[in-house]
Amino acid sequence: KQEVTQIPAALSVPEGENLVLNCSFTDSAIYNLQWFRQDPGKGLTSLLLIQSSQREQTSGRLNASLDKSSGRSTLYIAASQPGDSATYLCAVITLLNDYKLSFGAGTTVTVRA
Amino acid sequence: DTGVSQDPRHKITKRGQNVTFRCDPISEHNRLYWYRQTLGQGPEFLTYFQNEAQLEKSRLLSDRFSAERPKGSFSTLEIQRTEQGDSAMYLCASSLGGGIEQYFGPGTRLTVT
Repeated sequence: KQEVTQIPAALSVPEGENLVLNCSFTDSAIYNLQWFRQDPGKGLTSLLLIQSSQREQTSGRLNASLDKSSGRSTLYIAASQPGDSATYLCAVITLLNDYKLSFGAGTTVTVRA
Repeated sequence: DTGVSQDPRHKITKRGQNVTFRCDPISEHNRLYWYRQTLGQGPEFLTYFQNEAQLEKSRLLSDRFSAERPKGSFSTLEIQRTEQGDSAMYLCASSLGGGIEQYFGPGTRLTVT
């Protein structure tokens, strides 16, 4: 069974600081890994998807890396802004169950102005 | 808007009542997924459809839950005899095949009083 862990559970930083969010998973036989953003009481917004054959993906101030062999991914958010305050979730799809995203519990980020 | 839509966005019901949620996927997507998210946790897989066929159900989906996807288009999730433990965000997602990016709707927040 795929287990996904996100550390830390919560993070508070001053505006302008870079954010580093960690995700680990136990089964490295994955199709891909997705990072999502969730605002309070809202649905999920997909931020980045990394295929299993890729090492990283970038979109604007966001960069996500994937080390499949060690079962780890890191999401970097450069020059954080108060609007980045949200919960960030990572999720993986394994080769065995190509229909099911397995999610971590998320990291709740607060960027202080 | 061609994204995934869900209706209603919020539902408050009394224990013992039945509720039904609807999800409209992105039109060309053949796969449709239901997830449930409780406070402070990541979403958990409930069930999915490929076209009109329901191919997998989680053990979380008790016999009080039923889902349909007639004609392979929209889907409904019904909960009979609701319990307070059913209070959660119910999320729908769709994709064009397995092992690839899933797109999420805004969710339906259910509160059972």
